[in-house]
Amino acid sequence: EAGVAQSPRYKIIEKRQSVAFWCNPISGHATLYWYQQILGQGPKLLIQFQNNGVVDDSQLPKDRFSAERLKGVDSTLKIQPAKLEDSAVYLCASSLEGTRGNEQFFGPGTRLTVL
Amino acid sequence: AQSVTQLGSHVSVSEGALVLLRCNYSSSVPPYLFWYVQYPNQGLQLLLKYTSAATLVKGINGFEAEFKKSETSFHLTKPSAHMSDAAEYFCAVNMNSGYSTLTFGKGTMLLVSP
Repeated sequence: EAGVAQSPRYKIIEKRQSVAFWCNPISGHATLYWYQQILGQGPKLLIQFQNNGVVDDSQLPKDRFSAERLKGVDSTLKIQPAKLEDSAVYLCASSLEGTRGNEQFFGPGTRLTVL
Repeated sequence: AQSVTQLGSHVSVSEGALVLLRCNYSSSVPPYLFWYVQYPNQGLQLLLKYTSAATLVKGINGFEAEFKKSETSFHLTKPSAHMSDAAEYFCAVNMNSGYSTLTFGKGTMLLVSP
């Protein structure tokens, strides 16, 4: 079974530029998550989708971050404009369902460096 | 609010020694608890989880963890460390009764020396 795919794996941009990340979850997984992992910290949930609807985006900085999951399959996360503090690894994860206790499967992440 | 505290950002052990990684949580409702491992340049992989059944949970690669409500702890152990266990370990808690939302600790880097 193929795992969660993410691209690109690495991205370097200047501050105030925009950037987009792509995620393809495991086939059949209804729930998709985007996390931000800053160096030295644990992952922090940015947004959680159930199919193509948003379940939780309480920690998403909506003035600069946006995410969509069209057709309930793959997803994109965008940052516009980027700030220095956005430098982090962005992890995508998926689970079969979004109910409590469901195992989340993680992709390898996209490492963003903002100069 | 839910939170997870992992004591020790780095833990060093010798190969063959006991591994003990500490995790404490705060919760106003019965928690579900998870341990994940992250190898360099890879995503997180689930080691084990506690979902209110048996308090001693066995996971992959010889790891286990015990849920202790009185101590609000969920420490991860392995009797004998291997070099391949060197990685970062994250404890996470889910206290949302409806959804699978996780809150992660800051992580503990396990270093294994020969």
